[in-house]
Amino acid sequence: GAGVSQSPSNKVTEKGKDVELRCDPISGHTALYWYRQSLGQGLEFLIYFQGNSAPDKSGLPSDRFSAERTGGSVSTLTIQRTQQEDSAVYLCASSLVGGRRFYNEQFFGPGTRLTVL
Amino acid sequence: TQLLEQSPQFLSIQEGENLTVYCNSSSVFSSLQWYRQEPGEGPVLLVTVVTGGEVKKLKRLTFQFGDARKDSSLHITAAQPGDTGLYLCAGAVGGNEKLTFGTGTRLTIIP
Repeated sequence: GAGVSQSPSNKVTEKGKDVELRCDPISGHTALYWYRQSLGQGLEFLIYFQGNSAPDKSGLPSDRFSAERTGGSVSTLTIQRTQQEDSAVYLCASSLVGGRRFYNEQFFGPGTRLTVL
Repeated sequence: TQLLEQSPQFLSIQEGENLTVYCNSSSVFSSLQWYRQEPGEGPVLLVTVVTGGEVKKLKRLTFQFGDARKDSSLHITAAQPGDTGLYLCAGAVGGNEKLTFGTGTRLTIIP
């Protein structure tokens, strides 16, 4: 498939455990974004990677959250010592940045639904 | 912090009726996008508007960008059940690739 893929689709964990969420962006897309969405609400920006630049981590809610992007492609969002308030759908998006015609068009994956018990 | 407020938050109407969803901000955006999200899926881009006053039509959907590029509206004519979903506006500032998403409008079209 040519779209953004995320795994797992669902993750149930116990409070205090660490979780890793994976995102495979569209091949060739230089920018990758992570968002959090609670109960069908709007999207909360978490972190943004663009090429080899330092990531924009301004949206990460606490130091328990971290993300990396290896080789400019796959990204992993890690949540340490999960809390119940971390329960949400975590969405990943990628875009081909550069050139006026693209205007930051973002392509989203289906998301990972995280439930912290 | 740029905030995008959408109204209404929830809207439930009968098939065949018309509706308008609003996206408002006190900030100026260089471009604004509308996405639709269905349950269990990620948002899908519907349109991008970049010029103040711009109007774009996508079949029964009409999108308008405010003259001052601070607000936008989405008008749906003769709504159909397939229009049901969460509608999200998102704005970009200057050359920043990071989007600010609106609070969302959950639309339900009743057959």
